[in-house]
Amino acid sequence: GDSVTQMEGPVTLSEEAFLTINCTYTATGYPSLFWYVQYPGEGLQLLLKATKADDKGSNKGFEATYRKETTSFHLEKGSVQVSDSAVYFCALNLPGGYNKLIFGAGTRLAVHP
Amino acid sequence: EAQVTQNPRYLITVTGKKLTVTCSQNMNHEYMSWYRQDPGLGLRQIYYSMNVEVTDKGDVPEGYKVSRKEKRNFPLILESPSPNQTSLYFCASSLFLREKLFFGSGTQLSVL
Repeated sequence: GDSVTQMEGPVTLSEEAFLTINCTYTATGYPSLFWYVQYPGEGLQLLLKATKADDKGSNKGFEATYRKETTSFHLEKGSVQVSDSAVYFCALNLPGGYNKLIFGAGTRLAVHP
Repeated sequence: EAQVTQNPRYLITVTGKKLTVTCSQNMNHEYMSWYRQDPGLGLRQIYYSMNVEVTDKGDVPEGYKVSRKEKRNFPLILESPSPNQTSLYFCASSLFLREKLFFGSGTQLSVL
């Protein structure tokens, strides 16, 4: 079935380090792909999205490129800050699937000064 | 301010005691949905609604009910809660699903 797989956390980094959180998906057709972020005690917020192959989503220094050939949508940031500490969720929406997002399990990121 | 409001934020109850978690959005969104978040499982959809009086099951609907009598409100009802429904619940809405979802702040439910 359709699914999203994320790297297990927690990911612990020092401030200004490079971040990669891996996300791969299994889906029929050509889904839209999303990264959502959940800060402590809050609901999820959309971080970035890509709707077709080779699209790059970007926001707040984060980037992810829709790679159809590897069915991946890895999240990257060149220099993380303490304020980036949160749980990150990769998700997909199937074409014609107007009913839901399919989420990965989430990856917790902890950034230390 | 555009927002999705859930209440309560925290709820502790006992097995079998009916409860309702309310959800309201002020963005005139047609689509609303309930998710539960459990460690290692991410978010799983419980129910969704495409518009007033139109609801359908998600992936884990057992033990839950919903209603959509008004566009802005989408309450989640647990008629007879059980301990396996202890979880963090989120309500979400959007104008169109392929656009972003707006999430509420969550309701942490504990069923003893």
